[in-house]
Amino acid sequence: DIQMTQSPSSLSASVGDRVTITCRASQGVSTYLNWYQQRPGKAPQLLIYVASSLQSGVPSRFSGSGSGTDFTLIISSLQPEDFATYYCQQSYSPPLTFGGGTKVEIK
Amino acid sequence: EVQLVESGENLVQPGGSLRLSCTASGFSFSSYAMSWVRQAPGQGLEWVSSINGRGDTTLYADSVKGRITISRDNSANTVSLQMNSLRVEDTAIYYCARGGRFDRFRDWGQGTLVTVSS
Repeated sequence: DIQMTQSPSSLSASVGDRVTITCRASQGVSTYLNWYQQRPGKAPQLLIYVASSLQSGVPSRFSGSGSGTDFTLIISSLQPEDFATYYCQQSYSPPLTFGGGTKVEIK
Repeated sequence: EVQLVESGENLVQPGGSLRLSCTASGFSFSSYAMSWVRQAPGQGLEWVSSINGRGDTTLYADSVKGRITISRDNSANTVSLQMNSLRVEDTAIYYCARGGRFDRFRDWGQGTLVTVSS
């Protein structure tokens, strides 16, 4: 199984901050890497797919990069509605594993 | 507008069975794989199962293999999850999602809580 490791597991940031979340796969997943945002009590929402493609309707302050085993999600200027938990997920090889999540909290 | 609406029993005893269903609308259902993803209380996301558009290829997480069967009815735009021999650790919110392997979970249902308890 491919293990997905996110870091950090949580962070505190202020509105306007640049936030970087990393995701490492235990083996190569090419660019079959997706990012999701989950607000409390809500279903997850797709942000980024195939590592760097922005899902329709998602603000451009979100961006993704990487390939192989190392991936990054960047929020260029954190907004109040961005305080949530973020998950990476590989769709390359079953089981289709998720990272453990990164909770972004208000400083 | 894409909509995924889950339904099914909510409370079952350990060792029992239940069936979840998800009704889809707003897209060409048979053209997409469909999946179930669950989230135990206070925990992260766990992929459970996927089925391809034709319904002839299925995938399962090891944690549910042999106990869960995914199926779909393309004439009714539904995907179902038959869950048997349920365990306390199967307690979770179960989400239906559009997408599967080599794809992304591009749309999600609102989720349905399944509680396994005596």
